[in-house]
Amino acid sequence: EAGVAQSPRYKIIEKRQSVAFWCNPISGHATLYWYQQILGQGPKLLIQFQNNGVVDDSQLPKDRFSAERLKGVDSTLKIQPAKLEDSAVYLCASSPGGRETQYFGPGTRLLVL
Amino acid sequence: AQTVTQSQPEMSVQEAETVTLSCTYDTSENNYYLFWYKQPPSRQMILVIRQEAYKQQNATENRFSVNFQKAAKSFSLKISDSQLGDTAMYFCAFGGGSNYKLTFGKGTLLTVNP
Repeated sequence: EAGVAQSPRYKIIEKRQSVAFWCNPISGHATLYWYQQILGQGPKLLIQFQNNGVVDDSQLPKDRFSAERLKGVDSTLKIQPAKLEDSAVYLCASSPGGRETQYFGPGTRLLVL
Repeated sequence: AQTVTQSQPEMSVQEAETVTLSCTYDTSENNYYLFWYKQPPSRQMILVIRQEAYKQQNATENRFSVNFQKAAKSFSLKISDSQLGDTAMYFCAFGGGSNYKLTFGKGTLLTVNP
């Protein structure tokens, strides 16, 4: 069974530029999560989707971050414009349902200069 | 809001020995799940072990076991017969609430020495 796929693996941009990350969850998983992991800290949930609906986006900085999950499968996370403090690893995870174990992708490491 | 505390930023152990990583949490919920995730230097987060709060029996997965003390809100991970491949960052996580959101601790960096 293929795991959670993410791309790109690394991205370097200058502040005020925009960037987008892509995630393909495990086949059949209804729930998809985006986490932000700043160096030296544990992951922090940004947004949770159940199929193509948003369940929780309370910690998503909505003035600059946006996310969508078209057709309840793939998802994209966008940052526009990026700030220096957005430098982090962005992790995507998926689970069969809301109370199941979450499986993580390899992450996208973002550096904002 | 739930909080997860890992009081050991770094730990080291000799190969083949046993090590215990500590985790405490704070919640007012009665039904929840607890997890230990491992994140090797490649940064792929991998599930180590999972515990349902309603189960009194401690979870075990091969060399990994937990000591779950619900009243004390403590959830420690014991790694027996440590191997070099166990070197990684270990995160304790709490899963609960209406949307089953995961709250992670800051992690413990475990180094297994030969």
